[in-house]
Parts: sequence; structure tokens; C-alpha cells
Amino acid sequence: EVQLVESGGGLVKPGGSLRLSCAASGFTFSSYSMNWVRQAPGKGLEWVSSISSSSSYIYYADSVKGRFTISRDNAKNSLYLQMNSLRAEDTAVYYCARVGGLGVVDYFDYWGQGTLVTVSS
Amino acid sequence: QLVLTQSPSASASLGASVKLTCTLSSGHSSYAIAWHQQQPEKGPRYLMKLNSDGSHSKGDGIPDRFSGSSSGAERYLTISSLQSEDEADYYCQTWGTGHVVFGGGTKLTVL
Repeated sequence: EVQLVESGGGLVKPGGSLRLSCAASGFTFSSYSMNWVRQAPGKGLEWVSSISSSSSYIYYADSVKGRFTISRDNAKNSLYLQMNSLRAEDTAVYYCARVGGLGVVDYFDYWGQGTLVTVSS
Repeated sequence: QLVLTQSPSASASLGASVKLTCTLSSGHSSYAIAWHQQQPEKGPRYLMKLNSDGSHSKGDGIPDRFSGSSSGAERYLTISSLQSEDEADYYCQTWGTGHVVFGGGTKLTVL
């Protein structure tokens, strides 16, 4: 059974940093591209970042470019999101999602349950 | 610019059918999309990938009540024999070179 479990969320002050993790199991993690998607309270889904299976290709939404860094450790079956210079508008539930197709960006076929990040003073 | 447009809300009666629409922006009518369901207080769940020719591949365990179809730039999700647990937000998703786009979502109410 495919499982994606996010962790690392919490309360952080504006300008602060946080590192999210996503632990993957039930599939060959090193063969799949992965993504982060967020959802602000009461709002829709917003794509954040994508990373290819070997980390060769990485993409970011304009809203986080230069502040967030996606990475992965295939030996540990883990996906990460380093978030720096956090702003109030980064407050959201952050989901990791597996790419089901062959592309780095493609449809998402499995999602985690999410971890809440709150940016507030 | 690649944009997906969804109606904010829809409603239908228990046991009836409903058809949700996702519209691709001009010039992108050949794009495939994916449909995702998000029940209250839960993470999203992948329903299906839907191609421009109407062919689709569903996620694990998705009931036959869920089906997809396409016409031009429109992508549809039809849910038949509506059940109470189908009350949820439904998002369409597509992708371009180096980016992913979500529609604004449709909140489905089962009456």
C-alpha cells in the first residue's frame, strides 16, 4: 500500500524557517517524481514544487521561488521542503504527492494527509 | 496561459447523477487533466486521469460510479448513484512544461 506521511509543520514567525519531510513507503520511491502542494485555510490547492526521481529536474511556483528548496533522499525514501523567509501568506496545509505519469510534472496519483504550517507573530 | 476553470458549486440529490465541468484555457484543448476528490478535513484523493479523447484511467479503488468524458476544451466528471460520502470538493489538475495548474475546485453538495 502506497503511503505518504508528512511531518515538520508548526507555528513559525514571519521571516523564519521550517523544514518539512515526507516519508514514503509501499513503492519504489527512487523511481517516481514527487511534488509539494499547499492549501491555505478555506482555499483551493496550489502547486508548490516538483522534483524528478534523480533530482535532476526541479521546478518551483513563482510564489515560492528563491525562498523554498525541494530535495529528496532516495536512500531514506524521503522528500523534503526547506522553507525560508516565511510570510503570512505561506500559511497552509502542505501535502506531498506522487507523480503517476512519466513526466517530472504530470498527474498526481497518491497524496499524503498533510502537515499544517502557520506563519504568525 | 494554462488555466483551468471550474464552477464553484454544484448540488444533486442522493441517488441521482451529477456532471462536473473543468474547462481548459484557449489553445490548450488537447491537454489531459486529472480529477481529485477532497472530502471534508481530509487530504485529496486521486480519482482519474482524463485524456482529450475521453479515455481515462482511474485510481485504485475508485468505484465505477465515477466516470470521465471530454469534449473540446471541456473535461467532465460524472458521478452516478450519488452517495452522502460523495459530498466533497472536486479539483481538476493539469500540467505544462515545468509547472502544474489546479482549477479552483467545485464544492458538491448531496441533497
